[in-house]
Amino acid sequence: EADIYQTPRYLVIGTGKKITLECSQTMGHDKMYWYQQDPGMELHLIHYSYGVNSTEKGDLSSESTVSRIRTEHFPLTLESARPSHTSQYLCASSSPTRVYEQCFGPGTRLTVT
Amino acid sequence: AQSVTQPDIHITVSEGASLELRCNYSYGATPYLFWYVQSPGQGLQLLLKYFSGDTLVQGIKGFEAEFKRSQSSFNLRKPSVHWSDAAEYFCAVGGYGQNFVFGPGTRLSVLP
Repeated sequence: EADIYQTPRYLVIGTGKKITLECSQTMGHDKMYWYQQDPGMELHLIHYSYGVNSTEKGDLSSESTVSRIRTEHFPLTLESARPSHTSQYLCASSSPTRVYEQCFGPGTRLTVT
Repeated sequence: AQSVTQPDIHITVSEGASLELRCNYSYGATPYLFWYVQSPGQGLQLLLKYFSGDTLVQGIKGFEAEFKRSQSSFNLRKPSVHWSDAAEYFCAVGGYGQNFVFGPGTRLSVLP
């Protein structure tokens, strides 16, 4: 059973607000990921991290930013939310010994009005 | 560039019937292939994976998949579907040092 948590699970917020989506894992995994998933669509990688103080942009350009100050924590921030940011955001992690097995959190469904 | 196609957007089967979900990939080297399942409102759960070796791989929940290099396919199968299998299924491809690319998903509905 994967131990990766995301909060909040659901968020409805107005345009222009700053938001932070939280992701934490208790497995000691080095690599962590953020994916964006629109309803009925595939997952697109927007950010990833190899470990503490490492952040990389993914395949899909995103206005969000991430930080990795602690191994277990990988928050995603939107400085000024817009309706185009409405989507589901999935966090994942993988261990150095099993890099090709990503464990996923339950996701945060974000709606920007 | 890596890519994954899942030709079937939505499949409906009767409970107890067999199931095959199709996945085709494009990848320049030896691919690592995965099937994930996503229940409504949930994250993704790994069903099975292929790295090398036996081309028929067994996964959880009674699923299996067969890697066919000549067809660039990695189809998912289950001999008898249960109502609880209704979900979204994603195929993904990756490689050594590469991030995953996911397919668009196939939504499975199960009739009682």
